[in-house]
Amino acid sequence: QSALTQPRSVSGSPGQSVTISCTGTSSDVGDSKYVSWYQQHPGKAPKLMIYDVSKRPSGVPDRFSGSKSGNTASLTISGLQAEDEADYYCCSYAVSYTYVVFGGGTKLTVL
Amino acid sequence: EVQLLESGGGWVQPGGSLRLSCAASGFTFSRYAMTWVRQPPGKGLEWVLDISPSGDTTYYTDSVKGRFTISRDNSKDTLLLQMNSLRAEDTAVYYCAKATWGQFENWGQGTLVTVSS
Repeated sequence: QSALTQPRSVSGSPGQSVTISCTGTSSDVGDSKYVSWYQQHPGKAPKLMIYDVSKRPSGVPDRFSGSKSGNTASLTISGLQAEDEADYYCCSYAVSYTYVVFGGGTKLTVL
Repeated sequence: EVQLLESGGGWVQPGGSLRLSCAASGFTFSRYAMTWVRQPPGKGLEWVLDISPSGDTTYYTDSVKGRFTISRDNSKDTLLLQMNSLRAEDTAVYYCAKATWGQFENWGQGTLVTVSS
């Protein structure tokens, strides 16, 4: 049950696009339909941004998109806005469906 | 509107016990798996335990097996977490979340558990 690997930090200017990667193994990200992404502002609870690899919950802007290739999932945020500055966590339901694993988190800074 | 409200957090000495509750509303509680996720101060999220909608199946992360017990009362729309033999490394904000295939659409506001002498 090792944590998924995310970059510690990424940054971008308003209007630009950034991509956050999330690398796991063939036992979790690589073989799971259930990869999700969460946004967390300081002192707040996490918020679901992407589920089932690439689906957006109602109310999440279409600037947020998810994808997966092999053992790596990615979250892309286009048209960066100041309010996107937050921590982002990926999450995968393991192929054995007996556990869930999170990434270590990525701090997004909007310059 | 889905609401999840945790309670029961606080300070406890190492080796002690604590029981967390999560009151759910705004959805049919008995139809959903529920999860506890924790976050140590200044650190990332960690999945801790899952329980099936009926309560007959549970999953635990290795570090809490034998010490933590998840349960639910579907008649009261309440999720419970019994934590025994607490350690300093269990110090964290504990969130309950509504789960669908290991994905968490709704979260509570969290309750802080501090294990310290």
